[in-house]
Amino acid sequence: AQTVTQSQPEMSVQEAETVTLSCTYDTSENNYYLFWYKQPPSRQMILVIRQEAYKQQNATENRFSVNFQKAAKSFSLKISDSQLGDTAMYFCAFQNNNAGNMLTFGGGTRLMVKP
Amino acid sequence: DGGITQSPKYLFRKEGQNVTLSCEQNLNHDAMYWYRQDPGQGLRLIYYSQIVNDFQKGDIAEGYSVSREKKESFPLTVTSAQKNPTAFYLCASSLRTTHNEQFFGPGTRLTVL
Repeated sequence: AQTVTQSQPEMSVQEAETVTLSCTYDTSENNYYLFWYKQPPSRQMILVIRQEAYKQQNATENRFSVNFQKAAKSFSLKISDSQLGDTAMYFCAFQNNNAGNMLTFGGGTRLMVKP
Repeated sequence: DGGITQSPKYLFRKEGQNVTLSCEQNLNHDAMYWYRQDPGQGLRLIYYSQIVNDFQKGDIAEGYSVSREKKESFPLTVTSAQKNPTAFYLCASSLRTTHNEQFFGPGTRLTVL
């Protein structure tokens, strides 16, 4: 079974600054996908970014990028030029290619962007 | 617009009563999922269905039941056997193939009085 760990329950960052959220996972699989989801106060889950394990290049989506270290089983999310609207819970999730499309979620990191 | 709807947004139940949460999608997705979220915690999988008339238990299925009679609908029943049902419930759907994003509904907050 896979496990996903987010070791930072809460973080804060000043507007326009950069922040990195950590995620580690444990798996014996070689083919998998990793996701970061955002849950703002509205509680609507929104996909931020995804990474295929077979790709060495780190995924980037505008101000959001990941640092994927497969050997270390680490998948951190970097938010550049933080905006007030980035205030939310952030969840890291693991998807095993051999187990359908199910996701295993970490416990989340609450991010507060301060003006 | 395509999307996932969940109803009701808030639900109150007396102890010992069964209650059914609705989830409907018009994204033409084959797979649907139910998650439970407790305060300050991540999502845990209750049940999932990859195709009509078929579903499997997730990590915390005890005290819950589902049906999948139509592709668009995946209702969740919280039975009286669920010992601690107060939580936020999220429904999601996706294409069946792997690596596809799961799209989430707005959630239902269930409170047992």
